[in-house]
Amino acid sequence: GQNIDQPTEMTATEGAIVQINCTYQTSGFNGLFWYQQHAGEAPTFLSYNVLDGLEEKGRFSSFLSRSKGYSYLLLKELQMKDSASYLCARKGSNYQLIWGAGTKLIIKP
Amino acid sequence: GAVVSQHPSRVICKSGTSVKIECRSLDFQATTMFWYRQFPKQSLMLMATSNEGSKATYEQGVEKDKFLINHASLTLSTLTVTSAHPEDSSFYICSAREPWGGAGDTQYFGPGTRLTVL
Repeated sequence: GQNIDQPTEMTATEGAIVQINCTYQTSGFNGLFWYQQHAGEAPTFLSYNVLDGLEEKGRFSSFLSRSKGYSYLLLKELQMKDSASYLCARKGSNYQLIWGAGTKLIIKP
Repeated sequence: GAVVSQHPSRVICKSGTSVKIECRSLDFQATTMFWYRQFPKQSLMLMATSNEGSKATYEQGVEKDKFLINHASLTLSTLTVTSAHPEDSSFYICSAREPWGGAGDTQYFGPGTRLTVL
């Protein structure tokens, strides 16, 4: 919704690397979040980017290019427990988050 | 990290009754809390923004008289679903904004409340 686009579903193999892309409308941009949501559970915070570049946190990294309105979440050494939906969200006015529809990631053995 | 609790985790009620859901920030003061609803296989839908000591701001299409929000303290916000009907059955999730901490005013989510209206 609201011009945040990410793929609906992706499939990857256990142990591999996967990159989930997110594009957003650049006007009024002031920060981008990635959250993980397992089925039937609430989202959990993964990362926040406000400046260009790559932020690394263990197996997960997040990248931002403000000029391109583009971010990606990179997951390395995939584990079966990484099967979840990954939500891209930008910070809106009044501290709200504007959410993408989420990318369902399926990990196969 | 910041912890947000939500109670109850699951509730089943009869049509026409009211249900209250509590959202608490356990280790920080949250001046702003958010209430979301999520239907199966759909994205989060923001219902309202709750600010401590003031009236909640509701999103378009959300009935404020049906979904009553009270943010009486810096650590507690409540959502009351009044005269619940089966179509109100959903997963209700709150989040709390941690000001001056975390990254970029990160929102931390409660575990959610699954409401089933019979």
